[in-house]
Amino acid sequence: GAGVSQSPRYKVAKRGQDVALRCDPISGHVSLFWYQQALGQGPEFLTYFQNEAQLDKSGLPSDRFFAERPEGSVSTLKIQRTQQEDSAVYLCASSPGGTTDTQYFGPGTRLTVL
Amino acid sequence: AQKITQTQPGMFVQEKEAVTLDCTYDTSDQSYGLFWYKQPSSGEMIFLIYQGSYDEQNATEGRYSLNFQKARKSTNLVISASQLGDSAMYFCAMSLSARQLTFGSGTQLTVLP
Repeated sequence: GAGVSQSPRYKVAKRGQDVALRCDPISGHVSLFWYQQALGQGPEFLTYFQNEAQLDKSGLPSDRFFAERPEGSVSTLKIQRTQQEDSAVYLCASSPGGTTDTQYFGPGTRLTVL
Repeated sequence: AQKITQTQPGMFVQEKEAVTLDCTYDTSDQSYGLFWYKQPSSGEMIFLIYQGSYDEQNATEGRYSLNFQKARKSTNLVISASQLGDSAMYFCAMSLSARQLTFGSGTQLTVLP
């Protein structure tokens, strides 16, 4: 079956622009996660949804970051007034929902802020 | 808070040889999950293997196996019969209650022909 997909794969933004990153999870997966991966580092947690409920957004670095999953499927991560330090790969992962769930990752969106 | 430590920034192994990638973790929780992911230069994060904190047997998945030592809080990944396609970054990660993953800094593995 289809895996997690993300779009766009690459995004170049000028500082101050708003961007929206999309994630299509594996069909039927209850849980959805967003991570940020800086160059040469491991991914860091941003936010987590269970169906349409955002249960944890403790990893969002500032109030310029906003995520939604209105119908419990597709999710969008929005970054307002982008800054150079926002340049990173943004990874989305989904899992079926349960007590020992493996997360399956999408290919990521590489964001470059000029 | 939980923490994952990978002390080997880079490792080299000869093709067809076995290699062990080290990972230690720190948590006060009794129930947790331990994962290994592979990230090739293409950037995708590929799930390899999982070990639950209550699993008594070491996990195995094809050429991948874990040396899970709970008392030492370590979960080392063993790759047997290395192949050129195994060259990639390898991340160890931990989750509590199937929530977010906490990742280590990764080990870059290079398989030599």
